[in-house]
Formats: sequence, C-alpha cells, structure tokens
Amino acid sequence: QVHLVESGGGVVQPGRSLRLSCTASGFTFSNYGMHWVRQAPGKGLEWVTLISHDGSNTVYAESVRGRFTISRDQNTLFLQMNSLRPEDTALYYCAKDRGISGSYPLGPFNYWGQGTLVTVSS
Amino acid sequence: DIQMTQSPSSLSASVGDRVTMTCRASQNIKDYLNWYQQKPGKAPKLLIFAASDLQGGFPSRFSGSGSGTDFTLTISSLQPEDYATYYCQQSYNVPVTFGPGTKVDIK
Repeated sequence: QVHLVESGGGVVQPGRSLRLSCTASGFTFSNYGMHWVRQAPGKGLEWVTLISHDGSNTVYAESVRGRFTISRDQNTLFLQMNSLRPEDTALYYCAKDRGISGSYPLGPFNYWGQGTLVTVSS
Repeated sequence: DIQMTQSPSSLSASVGDRVTMTCRASQNIKDYLNWYQQKPGKAPKLLIFAASDLQGGFPSRFSGSGSGTDFTLTISSLQPEDYATYYCQQSYNVPVTFGPGTKVDIK
C-alpha cells in the first residue's frame, strides 16, 4: 500500500527558509518521479516542482525557480524553500508520478500525501 | 505554458442527476489529460488518466472523454459521495498545469 507522509511545515517569517520532507513507503521509491504541488487556502492546485526517478531531472515552476530546491534520498523526498514570501503560504502536497518523470509527457499523479501547511507571515 | 480552463466553475445537482463538466487546454495536449477529485480537507485523488481511463477504486459512473484541446468528465448518476471539486490537469509538458476546478455541490 502506497503511503506518502509530508512533514516540516510551520509558520515562518518572510525571507526565511524551511525544509519539507515526504517519506514514502509501499513502492520502490527509486523507480518513480515525484512532485510537489501546493494549494493556497481556499484556492486551486498549483504544481511546484518535479524530480525524476534518479534525481537527474528537476523542473520548477517559474514562481519558485531560484528559491526552492527539490531533492530525494533513500525513501524521502525533500523541498528546500528559501527566501519565502507570503504568497508561498499553502498546503504542500507530495505526489507520486505514475512514471519516471525523466522525459515528457509525464504520467498522472497517482498517489498524494495529506499535505503539510506552510504559513509565511511576520 | 499550457493554460487549462474549466467550466462551469461550480454546479448544483441532485442525487441521480447526470453531471457533465468540461476542460479546455490552450494547445493540443493529445490525451495527456487527467482528472482529480478533491473533497474538503482531503488530498486530491486521481480519478481519470489519459483522458478516459478510470483509476482503480472509482465506480464506472465516472467517465472521461476528449482529445486535443477539449475534454469532458461525466458522472452518469450523481451520488452523495461525489460532491467534491474536480480538477483537470495536463501532463503533456512542463510546467504541469491544473484547471481552476469545478465544484459540485448539493442542489
């Protein structure tokens, strides 16, 4: 049974950093691409970033490029978030791709975690 | 970037109604169109992938169709557990983009 559990969210001041984690179980983590998707309070879904199965390919949304870094190790996905802004306030989900995410088109996101809330406020 | 639009933004329907919602892409995405169901306070769940393939665990009253730029999600007979927000998503290219969602609520 696939299980994704995010952690690391919290309240942080603008300009500060936060590191999110997503612990995966129930599947061979190294065989699949992974994504972070966020959802601001009361808003829709916004894709943030992807990493391929082997970490060789990473892509970022324009809104976070240069500030966020996705990485993976063992059975854990990470999102390092620097220079945080109030508009980064959201529930952050990790999601498993159905494929390797090494090329495009990508697969659908067939499993999601429950999310971790990031609030950027002074 | 590929823009995704959905209509209507919300709809009210009764149990047993046939419900149809649409999703449009700003360019040809072939059949790389996925639908997600999200209930309040819960994570999204993959409902339909590749425009028309039903994800396991969902009943056959859900169906998807379309290709290119125009897509449809249909619920043949709405059930109480189907009240949710439905998002379309293109996975044809990066950045991955989602539609703004269609909220289905009780009439």
